[in-house]
Amino acid sequence: DAKTTQPNSMESNEEEPVHLPCNHSTISGTDYIHWYRQLPSQGPEYVIHGLTSNVNNRMASLAIAEDRKSSTLILHRATLRDAAVYYCILTGIQGAQKLVFGQGTRLTINP
Amino acid sequence: NAGVTQTPKFQVLKTGQSMTLQCAQDMNHEYMSWYRQDPGMGLRLIHYSVGAGITDQGEVPNGYNVSRSTTEDFPLRLLSAAPSQTSVYFCASSYSAGTGADTQYFGPGTRLTVL
Repeated sequence: DAKTTQPNSMESNEEEPVHLPCNHSTISGTDYIHWYRQLPSQGPEYVIHGLTSNVNNRMASLAIAEDRKSSTLILHRATLRDAAVYYCILTGIQGAQKLVFGQGTRLTINP
Repeated sequence: NAGVTQTPKFQVLKTGQSMTLQCAQDMNHEYMSWYRQDPGMGLRLIHYSVGAGITDQGEVPNGYNVSRSTTEDFPLRLLSAAPSQTSVYFCASSYSAGTGADTQYFGPGTRLTVL
């Protein structure tokens, strides 16, 4: 499975945008880019996913580089509830049920 | 929908005891899986199932058994608990569209301590 690289931690202020980067230089043409987050003492929850084009949903936006070797999760206006560990995960055709979690990025939101 | 439910929420075992962690989903998902999360780490896949009657091993299957007799339920059995199995266990389910776009729904977790 292709690997992803994320910063261990990031910090931002409430009501400001947050850009969480992810590098995946060995991504294959059929790999989807998924983001999950894990709030304290909870199970992971799905945030967003994409293949080639940028994606938006009610939680966040996903910006995918043209060469697909990196992506950025964008939280447009962070709240205290967005403090969590964010995981960037690649999934192949047979791999969406077998997620490989790295260390993720621990996001701290300052009031 | 209740989504993915797990019982119990907390459990303390002594070394050598056995127990079953329960997982159920009411979304008619074909795929179910079990992960463990050790302190400060990401989740690791233990076992997964692609449908009733079909299971397979994940990254860390040793010491655990699973079976899938119904679509809704996917119990995880610890036959002889060891301190190394102290962890938080998460169950997940997903619908399969046959692509990498499938998204997983996770339960709230079971926190297990083995003394």
